[in-house]
Amino acid sequence: QVQLQESGPGLVKPSETLSLTCTVSGASISATNYYWGWIRQPPGKGLECIGTLSYSGSTSYNPSLKSRVTISADTSKNQYSLNLRSVTAADTAIYYCARHYYGLGLGYWGQGALVTVSS
Amino acid sequence: DIQMTQSPSTLSASVGDRVTITCRASESINSWLAWYQQKPGKAPKLLIYKASSLESGVPSRFSGSGSGTEFTLTISSLQPDDLAIYYCQQYHGYWWTFGQGTKVEIE
Repeated sequence: QVQLQESGPGLVKPSETLSLTCTVSGASISATNYYWGWIRQPPGKGLECIGTLSYSGSTSYNPSLKSRVTISADTSKNQYSLNLRSVTAADTAIYYCARHYYGLGLGYWGQGALVTVSS
Repeated sequence: DIQMTQSPSTLSASVGDRVTITCRASESINSWLAWYQQKPGKAPKLLIYKASSLESGVPSRFSGSGSGTEFTLTISSLQPDDLAIYYCQQYHGYWWTFGQGTKVEIE
């Protein structure tokens, strides 16, 4: 059974860095044809892809966030992480990690982590 | 960037009605399109992938069609449990974009 779980601070101060980790069980983040994403959803709004991490370690980022985002993997812990720098109140959202198997959509999601940006 | 546009943004229908949601891509995405259902307080749930393939365990009243830039999600007979927001998502590129969502209400 594949499970994803987000973890990290629920409150971040403006101008600081938001850091979240997604711990994956039941599947290897290095397995061929798997892509791992971070998606966020501001309260009451729609879904926005922040970026993706491929099984080979390559990353792609939403151009609107690219200058502030880093996604990285720790294969020894079967985790991948999100760092979003210089946050503002507009970055307040539920942050989801999710798995895409090539061509088959985002079949597995974490439960989501609410991160509030406030002083 | 590939933009996804859904319509309508809200629809209200009766139990048993046939419901259709449309999603348009700003450029061709072949069939690299998925549909998700999101209920309040929950993560999105995959319904359809590759435009028309039904995810395992999803009721057969859900179906998808289309290719290129025009796609539809159809609920053949609306049920009370289908009250939710529905999103399309393209995965043609290396990062993904979602439609703005369609809220389905039960009359």
